Amino acid sequence: GNSVTQMEGPVTLSEEAFLTINCTYTATGYPSLFWYVQYPGEGLQLLLKATKADDKGSNKGFEATYRKETTSFHLEKGSVQVSDSAVYFCALGRNFNKFYFGSGTKLNVKP
Amino acid sequence: DTAVSQTPKYLVTQMGNDKSIKCEQNLGHDTMYWYKQDSKKFLKIMFSYNNKELIINETVPNRFSPKSPDKAHLNLHINSLELGDSAVYFCASSQESAGGRPDTQYFGPGTRLTVL
Repeated sequence: GNSVTQMEGPVTLSEEAFLTINCTYTATGYPSLFWYVQYPGEGLQLLLKATKADDKGSNKGFEATYRKETTSFHLEKGSVQVSDSAVYFCALGRNFNKFYFGSGTKLNVKP
Repeated sequence: DTAVSQTPKYLVTQMGNDKSIKCEQNLGHDTMYWYKQDSKKFLKIMFSYNNKELIINETVPNRFSPKSPDKAHLNLHINSLELGDSAVYFCASSQESAGGRPDTQYFGPGTRLTVL
Protein backbone atom coordinates (compact mmCIF):
# COMPACT_ATOMS: atom_id res chain seq x y z
CA GLY A 1 0.00 0.00 0.00
CA ASN A 2 0.87 3.67 0.10
CA SER A 3 2.11 5.32 3.26
CA VAL A 4 4.36 8.08 4.57
CA THR A 5 6.47 7.99 7.72
CA GLN A 6 8.05 11.10 9.12
CA MET A 7 10.06 11.74 12.22
CA GLU A 8 8.18 12.45 15.38
CA GLY A 9 8.43 15.84 16.95
CA PRO A 10 8.63 18.21 18.42
CA VAL A 11 11.95 19.31 17.02
CA THR A 12 13.43 22.23 18.94
CA LEU A 13 16.28 24.24 17.44
CA SER A 14 18.01 27.52 18.05
CA GLU A 15 17.81 30.21 15.41
CA GLU A 16 20.32 29.71 12.56
CA ALA A 17 20.65 25.98 13.26
CA PHE A 18 20.52 23.38 10.49
CA LEU A 19 17.21 21.56 10.07
CA THR A 20 16.49 18.06 8.83
CA ILE A 21 13.08 16.43 9.03
CA ASN A 22 13.13 12.86 7.80
CA CYS A 23 10.42 11.47 5.55
CA THR A 24 10.26 8.02 3.98
CA TYR A 25 7.49 6.57 1.89
CA THR A 26 6.08 3.27 0.71
CA ALA A 27 4.55 3.13 -2.74
CA THR A 28 4.72 1.28 -6.02
CA GLY A 29 5.65 3.12 -9.16
CA TYR A 30 6.40 6.82 -9.20
CA PRO A 31 4.39 8.94 -6.81
CA SER A 32 4.72 12.70 -6.50
CA LEU A 33 6.07 13.95 -3.19
CA PHE A 34 5.17 17.09 -1.28
CA TRP A 35 6.06 19.03 1.83
CA TYR A 36 3.33 21.16 3.35
CA VAL A 37 3.67 23.64 6.21
CA GLN A 38 0.98 24.59 8.71
CA TYR A 39 1.49 27.78 10.70
CA PRO A 40 -0.43 28.14 13.96
CA GLY A 41 -4.14 28.63 13.41
CA GLU A 42 -3.93 28.25 9.63
CA GLY A 43 -4.51 25.65 6.95
CA LEU A 44 -1.77 23.71 5.24
CA GLN A 45 0.11 25.33 2.39
CA LEU A 46 2.51 23.85 -0.10
CA LEU A 47 6.15 24.35 0.76
CA LEU A 48 7.75 22.38 -2.08
CA LYS A 49 7.23 19.36 -4.29
CA ALA A 50 8.99 16.90 -6.57
CA THR A 51 7.39 14.77 -9.23
CA LYS A 52 10.12 12.33 -10.27
CA ALA A 53 13.23 10.64 -8.97
CA ASP A 54 16.24 12.91 -8.33
CA ASP A 55 14.10 16.05 -8.59
CA LYS A 56 14.90 18.66 -5.96
CA GLY A 57 12.11 20.86 -4.70
CA SER A 58 13.04 24.15 -3.07
CA ASN A 59 11.31 27.17 -1.60
CA LYS A 60 12.06 29.79 1.07
CA GLY A 61 15.46 28.21 1.77
CA PHE A 62 13.97 24.73 2.27
CA GLU A 63 15.02 21.84 0.03
CA ALA A 64 14.10 18.20 -0.43
CA THR A 65 15.35 15.67 -2.96
CA TYR A 66 13.25 12.77 -4.25
CA ARG A 67 15.40 9.68 -3.60
CA LYS A 68 13.85 6.60 -5.11
CA GLU A 69 16.67 4.29 -4.05
CA THR A 70 16.07 5.10 -0.38
CA THR A 71 12.36 5.99 -0.79
CA SER A 72 13.00 9.24 1.02
CA PHE A 73 12.17 12.94 0.73
CA HIS A 74 13.94 14.57 3.67
CA LEU A 75 13.34 18.27 4.30
CA GLU A 76 16.38 20.47 4.99
CA LYS A 77 17.14 24.10 5.69
CA GLY A 78 20.55 25.52 6.33
CA SER A 79 19.59 28.21 8.81
CA VAL A 80 16.18 28.24 10.48
CA GLN A 81 14.41 31.34 11.75
CA VAL A 82 11.88 31.81 14.52
CA SER A 83 9.29 32.40 11.80
CA ASP A 84 9.81 28.82 10.56
CA SER A 85 8.12 27.48 13.70
CA ALA A 86 5.23 25.42 12.37
CA VAL A 87 4.07 21.87 11.73
CA TYR A 88 5.54 20.24 8.63
CA PHE A 89 3.78 17.45 6.72
CA CYS A 90 5.29 15.11 4.17
CA ALA A 91 2.78 13.78 1.64
CA LEU A 92 2.63 11.37 -1.26
CA GLY A 93 0.35 11.83 -4.26
CA ARG A 94 -0.89 9.17 -6.65
CA ASN A 95 -2.86 9.39 -9.86
CA PHE A 96 -6.51 10.34 -9.59
CA ASN A 97 -5.68 12.78 -6.82
CA LYS A 98 -5.12 10.32 -4.02
CA PHE A 99 -2.92 11.72 -1.27
CA TYR A 100 -1.31 10.18 1.79
CA PHE A 101 0.01 12.37 4.60
CA GLY A 102 2.59 11.74 7.28
CA SER A 103 1.74 12.43 10.90
CA GLY A 104 3.34 15.89 10.93
CA THR A 105 6.45 17.18 12.70
CA LYS A 106 6.26 20.21 14.91
CA LEU A 107 9.25 22.54 14.69
CA ASN A 108 9.99 25.04 17.43
CA VAL A 109 12.73 27.57 16.74
CA LYS A 110 14.03 29.56 19.71
CA PRO A 111 15.69 32.97 19.41
CA ASP B 1 -9.06 36.85 -3.20
CA THR B 2 -9.37 33.67 -1.13
CA ALA B 3 -8.77 30.44 -3.07
CA VAL B 4 -10.46 27.99 -0.69
CA SER B 5 -12.83 29.38 1.90
CA GLN B 6 -14.72 27.68 4.72
CA THR B 7 -17.50 28.84 6.98
CA PRO B 8 -17.77 29.03 9.86
CA LYS B 9 -14.25 29.33 11.27
CA TYR B 10 -15.42 28.29 14.74
CA LEU B 11 -18.39 26.13 15.64
CA VAL B 12 -19.38 25.34 19.22
CA THR B 13 -22.39 23.13 19.72
CA GLN B 14 -24.02 20.60 22.01
CA MET B 15 -23.91 16.83 21.67
CA GLY B 16 -26.72 15.47 19.56
CA ASN B 17 -27.08 18.55 17.37
CA ASP B 18 -26.80 18.61 13.58
CA LYS B 19 -24.44 21.06 11.93
CA SER B 20 -22.98 21.92 8.52
CA ILE B 21 -19.67 23.33 7.35
CA LYS B 22 -19.48 24.99 3.95
CA CYS B 23 -16.54 25.06 1.55
CA GLU B 24 -16.03 26.94 -1.68
CA GLN B 25 -13.08 27.10 -4.06
CA ASN B 26 -12.56 29.63 -6.84
CA LEU B 27 -9.61 27.87 -8.46
CA GLY B 28 -11.60 25.93 -11.03
CA HIS B 29 -10.33 22.62 -9.59
CA ASP B 30 -12.12 19.37 -10.31
CA THR B 31 -11.43 17.63 -7.01
CA MET B 32 -12.34 18.66 -3.48
CA TYR B 33 -11.64 16.99 -0.14
CA TRP B 34 -12.55 17.00 3.51
CA TYR B 35 -9.91 16.25 6.14
CA LYS B 36 -10.16 15.92 9.90
CA GLN B 37 -7.22 17.04 12.06
CA ASP B 38 -7.12 15.88 15.65
CA SER B 39 -5.50 17.55 18.62
CA LYS B 40 -2.16 15.88 17.85
CA LYS B 41 -2.22 17.39 14.35
CA PHE B 42 -2.81 14.03 12.68
CA LEU B 43 -4.55 14.62 9.35
CA LYS B 44 -7.11 12.10 8.14
CA ILE B 45 -8.84 12.12 4.75
CA MET B 46 -12.60 11.77 5.05
CA PHE B 47 -14.00 12.34 1.58
CA SER B 48 -12.88 13.21 -1.91
CA TYR B 49 -15.16 14.44 -4.70
CA ASN B 50 -14.27 14.74 -8.36
CA ASN B 51 -16.65 16.77 -10.53
CA LYS B 52 -19.44 16.31 -7.99
CA GLU B 53 -18.93 12.53 -7.73
CA LEU B 54 -17.72 10.77 -4.60
CA ILE B 55 -14.30 9.21 -5.19
CA ILE B 56 -13.01 8.44 -1.70
CA ASN B 57 -15.11 7.70 1.32
CA GLU B 58 -12.86 6.60 4.12
CA THR B 59 -14.19 4.81 7.15
CA VAL B 60 -16.10 7.66 8.69
CA PRO B 61 -19.41 7.25 10.50
CA ASN B 62 -22.44 7.65 8.28
CA ARG B 63 -23.43 10.59 10.48
CA PHE B 64 -21.06 12.52 8.20
CA SER B 65 -22.50 13.28 4.78
CA PRO B 66 -20.77 15.37 2.13
CA LYS B 67 -22.82 17.28 -0.41
CA SER B 68 -21.49 18.81 -3.61
CA PRO B 69 -24.04 21.03 -5.37
CA ASP B 70 -21.47 21.96 -8.01
CA LYS B 71 -17.77 21.42 -8.51
CA ALA B 72 -16.87 24.65 -6.69
CA HIS B 73 -18.64 23.67 -3.47
CA LEU B 74 -18.32 20.76 -1.07
CA ASN B 75 -20.28 20.99 2.15
CA LEU B 76 -20.04 18.67 5.14
CA HIS B 77 -23.12 17.86 7.16
CA ILE B 78 -22.80 16.13 10.51
CA ASN B 79 -25.76 14.54 12.29
CA SER B 80 -26.04 13.71 15.98
CA LEU B 81 -22.75 15.28 16.97
CA GLU B 82 -20.58 13.42 19.49
CA LEU B 83 -17.77 14.57 21.77
CA GLY B 84 -15.24 12.71 19.60
CA ASP B 85 -16.18 14.82 16.59
CA SER B 86 -14.37 17.78 18.15
CA ALA B 87 -11.50 18.57 15.79
CA VAL B 88 -10.42 20.98 13.07
CA TYR B 89 -11.95 20.20 9.69
CA PHE B 90 -10.15 21.26 6.54
CA CYS B 91 -11.48 21.54 3.05
CA ALA B 92 -9.03 21.31 0.15
CA SER B 93 -9.03 21.26 -3.63
CA SER B 94 -6.68 20.15 -6.36
CA GLN B 95 -6.45 19.59 -10.09
CA GLU B 96 -4.69 16.75 -11.81
CA SER B 97 -1.87 17.87 -14.05
CA ALA B 98 -1.23 16.45 -17.52
CA GLY B 99 -1.22 12.67 -17.64
CA GLY B 100 -3.26 12.40 -14.45
CA ARG B 101 -0.35 13.25 -12.18
CA PRO B 102 -1.40 14.54 -8.76
CA ASP B 103 -0.76 18.21 -8.16
CA THR B 104 -0.77 20.63 -5.26
CA GLN B 105 -3.68 20.64 -2.85
CA TYR B 106 -4.94 24.02 -1.68
CA PHE B 107 -6.35 24.04 1.83
CA GLY B 108 -8.94 26.23 3.45
CA PRO B 109 -8.29 27.93 6.80
CA GLY B 110 -10.10 25.23 8.75
CA THR B 111 -13.21 25.04 10.92
CA ARG B 112 -12.65 24.34 14.59
CA LEU B 113 -15.57 22.26 15.82
CA THR B 114 -16.10 21.92 19.57
CA VAL B 115 -18.81 19.59 20.81
CA LEU B 116 -19.84 20.13 24.43
